[in-house]
Amino acid sequence: GQQVMQIPQYQHVQEGEDFTTYCNSSTTLSNIQWYKQRPGGHPVFLIQLVKSGEVKKQKRLTFQFGEAKKNSSLHITATQTTDVGTYFCAGGKAAGNKLTFGGGTRVLVKP
Amino acid sequence: GAGVSQSPSNKVTEKGKDVELRCDPISGHTALYWYRQSLGQGLEFLIYFQGNSAPDKSGLPSDRFSAERTGGSVSTLTIQRTQQEDSAVYLCASSLWQGKAFFGQGTRLTVV
Repeated sequence: GQQVMQIPQYQHVQEGEDFTTYCNSSTTLSNIQWYKQRPGGHPVFLIQLVKSGEVKKQKRLTFQFGEAKKNSSLHITATQTTDVGTYFCAGGKAAGNKLTFGGGTRVLVKP
Repeated sequence: GAGVSQSPSNKVTEKGKDVELRCDPISGHTALYWYRQSLGQGLEFLIYFQGNSAPDKSGLPSDRFSAERTGGSVSTLTIQRTQQEDSAVYLCASSLWQGKAFFGQGTRLTVV
C-alpha cells in the first residue's frame, strides 16, 4: 500500500536558523497537504499543493511539491519558538481515497 | 457545528471494560478518519469512512476495535476489553473528499 515517509523524525533548531523537512511517497500523489500540531493540540491544516513543481509560501514557511509528485518539502527560515511542534505531511491519490499521513517531524527550538 | 466535536474529552476506564468514543464531523463532510496518537508519537491510522463506500479498516490493531458511522454523519469507535496499551489520544478528522482534514480535539483514553 501507499507509504509516506518523513525525515528527519526530530529536528533540533537554534532560534534564528533555517531548516527543511522532507516528505517522500512510495507512489505518485494527486496532492500533498501539510499540517502542524502544537504540543498538547491537534493537527491543523497549513496548506495543500496540487501541481507538479508547485511552490507556495506562508510568511517564513515555503512548501514545495516535487516534479514527479512523489515528494515534498517544508522549509522554515529564521526559526522562532512559535514554530515548535510536529509537522505532518499527508498524501492523497485518486479522489475518494484516504489521505495517508507521514510520521511527522518533531521540531524543537533552542532559544 | 462549527468544527469536529469529540466526546468525551477524557476517559479513564478499568482494564477489561468496553469504551465508546464519539465523533461528530463537520456537516456535509463525506470523509471521516480515526487516528490514535501515543505521547510524542505520530498519527496511527485506524479506520476511514468515505460516503457510502465500505470503510477502510486496515489500521484497526485487533478485533477488539470496531467503528461505525451512522447515516454518514456521527461515528463511534468502540474498544472492547480495554488493555493498558490502548491508552492514547484518539483523534477524529473529517473532510470533503480529499480536501483539508479538520481534526477534533481528541479523546484522551487512560486504561488503569
